[in-house]
Amino acid sequence: DQQVKQNSPSLSVQEGRISILNCDYTNSMFDYFLWYKKYPAEGPTFLISISSIKDKNEDGRFTVFLNKSAKHLSLHIVPSQPGDSAVYFCAASRYNQGGKLIFGQGTELSVKP
Amino acid sequence: EPEVTQTPSHQVTQMGQEVILRCVPISNHLYFYWYRQILGQKVEFLVSFYNNEISEKSEIFDDQFSVERPDGSNFTLKIRSTKLEDSAMYFCASSPDLGYTFGSGTRLTVV
Repeated sequence: DQQVKQNSPSLSVQEGRISILNCDYTNSMFDYFLWYKKYPAEGPTFLISISSIKDKNEDGRFTVFLNKSAKHLSLHIVPSQPGDSAVYFCAASRYNQGGKLIFGQGTELSVKP
Repeated sequence: EPEVTQTPSHQVTQMGQEVILRCVPISNHLYFYWYRQILGQKVEFLVSFYNNEISEKSEIFDDQFSVERPDGSNFTLKIRSTKLEDSAMYFCASSPDLGYTFGSGTRLTVV
């Protein structure tokens, strides 16, 4: 049961351009969404989150957009940098369940100089 | 910056053996979790722990798995009789409420 889906396994972007990573979910009870970045042999590192009461949250070069009616969220990175190259996971949670995260499959972002 | 510490970083064990994976969560966090990632697959929830008891567990977390917080700082995951399919990266995480901090993981290889 894939409640959280990232349909693009990989994305390649030129340095300085915008990276857009997409995520879809099926469970309308999710009310908190997060993006994590992961390097090989390391744990996921929190990037940015958004509550279901918002449709946008921005932190520096990272912006997350939430479209509840479409059950879709996206992470925008602008400008993209080579150091952004990693696997990006979106995750969703039902806050009242104590924060268990359901992860998507991940999208491997490659930012080329 | 506070971090979640996991040991060992890599554990190789024979099928059928017991393993204990160790984690030191961030000290003022209240919620503790174990997740795993089989190679090439997504990160999967195993178990959450709050107030010294399991608050939720997944289908993966069967009778072979157990968790303990034996003292005020450590949080352990025990697999009693390992199977080949238990080979994965195991991540511990802790949270004050919302927002996790993950450890860097233990790579478990069952041979």
